[in-house]
Amino acid sequence: RKEVEQDPGPFNVPEGATVAFNCTYSNSASQSFFWYRQDCRKEPKLLMSVYSSGNEDGRFTAQLNRASQYISLLIRDSKLSDSATYLCVAYIGYSTLTFGKGTMLLVSP
Amino acid sequence: NAGVTQTPKFRILKIGQSMTLQCTQDMNHNYMYWYRQDPGMGLKLIYYSVGAGITDKGEVPNGYNVSRSTTEDFPLRLELAAPSQTSVYFCASRPGLAGAETQYFGPGTRLLVL
Repeated sequence: RKEVEQDPGPFNVPEGATVAFNCTYSNSASQSFFWYRQDCRKEPKLLMSVYSSGNEDGRFTAQLNRASQYISLLIRDSKLSDSATYLCVAYIGYSTLTFGKGTMLLVSP
Repeated sequence: NAGVTQTPKFRILKIGQSMTLQCTQDMNHNYMYWYRQDPGMGLKLIYYSVGAGITDKGEVPNGYNVSRSTTEDFPLRLELAAPSQTSVYFCASRPGLAGAETQYFGPGTRLLVL
């Protein structure tokens, strides 16, 4: 079983829509979690960290459910510029991060 | 700060050739990483280093070698290039402090082995 699993998508949404991605992780010892954004042919960049209490950054909200071992990302009022691949990432320890394969989002006019 | 820089941006190799992918960071980060990303796939860890003189294997180390003689530099060596090594290679770094797991990535090197 993959350590971090995501629906690859693509998720096709119109501008202004709300879209949510989920991610599951298999290692209950995972210590911290992140969402990274990767534009086509570019490097991954940190979008936001995910805290147990949930956190919000503008139009983006991240949630962590340790009991069910899943992480979510909610994007409100989607913009064309939100089109990208969103990577779910877990820090399991031993100095390394584990990346999901990513969920592709396409926002259309 | 330039952050994490990688050279070259793109390279074509013939089977059996060797090359070194360069990675440099100017943030004084202790931890550095090499990943490869195949089309439609996630990032796979090749090697990492927690400080100068210390390196360790990741998930897919076969066919690669690394060294870490300075804090700033973490070159990745391909000794006998194979078509299976066609990929995009990303270098990343992070401070190594507790609670600071965020990694910062370089722009990547696209490698084509023919």
